Amino acid sequence: GENVEQHPSTLSVQEGDSAVIKCTYSDSASNYFPWYKQELGKGPQLIIDIRSNVGEKKDQRIAVTLNKTAKHFSLHITETQPEDSAVYFCAASGDQGGKLIFGQGTELSVKP
Amino acid sequence: NAGVTQTPKFRILKIGQSMTLQCAQDMNHNYMYWYRQDPGMGLKLIYYSVGAGITDKGEVPNGYNVSRSTTEDFPLRLELAAPSQTSVYFCASSYSPVYEQYFGPGTRLTVT
Repeated sequence: GENVEQHPSTLSVQEGDSAVIKCTYSDSASNYFPWYKQELGKGPQLIIDIRSNVGEKKDQRIAVTLNKTAKHFSLHITETQPEDSAVYFCAASGDQGGKLIFGQGTELSVKP
Repeated sequence: NAGVTQTPKFRILKIGQSMTLQCAQDMNHNYMYWYRQDPGMGLKLIYYSVGAGITDKGEVPNGYNVSRSTTEDFPLRLELAAPSQTSVYFCASSYSPVYEQYFGPGTRLTVT
């Protein structure tokens, strides 16, 4: 079955710097790659997603890139702000049943 | 729209007790999911449903049971609770397998 590895597990940056989180997946049939943000005490919330027919997608300060050949995808956050501090999860899905397999999470801390 | 609601928010169970975690959504989504999240870990899929009357196992189904008699509700049943089931449980729903999953606020369960 699908396996998703996420790195790093913790990331600390200064406000205004960029942050990059990387994920690799094992199932070449996976075709949907969402990123979720989880704030303390809350459920995860989708921030951006990408499908296998697209190499890059951007939404304001957030971008995601996908390399299907290497089976990895990355989240890029530019001009980080303290409110970006949270746990970020990548996920992959290729199953028609909609089973998302999540990475282990990255705790991002943005220091003012 | 209330989105996805979960009850209770917190619960302490003794070993061997049983309980049902409630989940409801008002977005008319066919797909619903139950995840558990252990400290410092990603989300693991317990069970999911693709519509009323149809359920299937996820990655970690042992010790749990589900039913889906209506589109709106997807309760998770724990029989004979064990300390290993101490976790935070999230319910989610989506329009389609490869679209955003909307998460509830979670239920924090402790088994002692």
